[in-house]
Amino acid sequence: DAGVIQSPRHEVTEMGQEVTLRCKPISGHDYLFWYRQTMMRGLELLIYFNNNVPIDDSGMPEDRFSAKMPNASFSTLKIQPSEPRDSAVYFCASSQSGTGDFGEGSWLTVV
Amino acid sequence: GENVEQHPSTLSVQEGDSAVIKCTYSDSASNYFPWYKQELGKGPQLIIDIRSNVGEKKDQRIAVTLNKTAKHFSLHITETQPEDSAVYFCAARPVKTIFGAGTRLFVKA
Repeated sequence: DAGVIQSPRHEVTEMGQEVTLRCKPISGHDYLFWYRQTMMRGLELLIYFNNNVPIDDSGMPEDRFSAKMPNASFSTLKIQPSEPRDSAVYFCASSQSGTGDFGEGSWLTVV
Repeated sequence: GENVEQHPSTLSVQEGDSAVIKCTYSDSASNYFPWYKQELGKGPQLIIDIRSNVGEKKDQRIAVTLNKTAKHFSLHITETQPEDSAVYFCAARPVKTIFGAGTRLFVKA
């Protein structure tokens, strides 16, 4: 099993640009989670899906953030427009139950 | 909502000694308590978990204990090795998972 696959691994972008992070969950997992990790705030759950349906997006910080899961094998987290304070590591995780198996993360720097 | 507090934030032990990390949670509805290990530049990796109907669980050198009455749970690592050095996160889940702030463990050879 390849595990949860995220792309890009690293991205540096200018303030105001659109950022799209991608995630391929583990096959057969019906839950998908997006987390953000920063030194100041630790690991925060942004949104999670069950069977491709968003269940709880209360952790999404602002309307600039949006997430989609068009099918069981793909999800995106989009930030538009990006701001320097969005700089963080964004993790995707998937599971059948429990908290999930994490990907390696997407390291985002907004300058 | 759920609040998870984790102590200590940093822990340094000698190789071979034991390490204990403690967490408290606030929501009595929490019924699942995973522990994650995160190495530099990588995602968190589940190392052990415990559900609310169990008081203790052990897996080789790692054990977790849960006291539901006091709302606290702990991670115990025995015979620590340098490769145990990492950041460890506890978490609690009533509905969605809430993470503690993490403990940076240093194991000195």
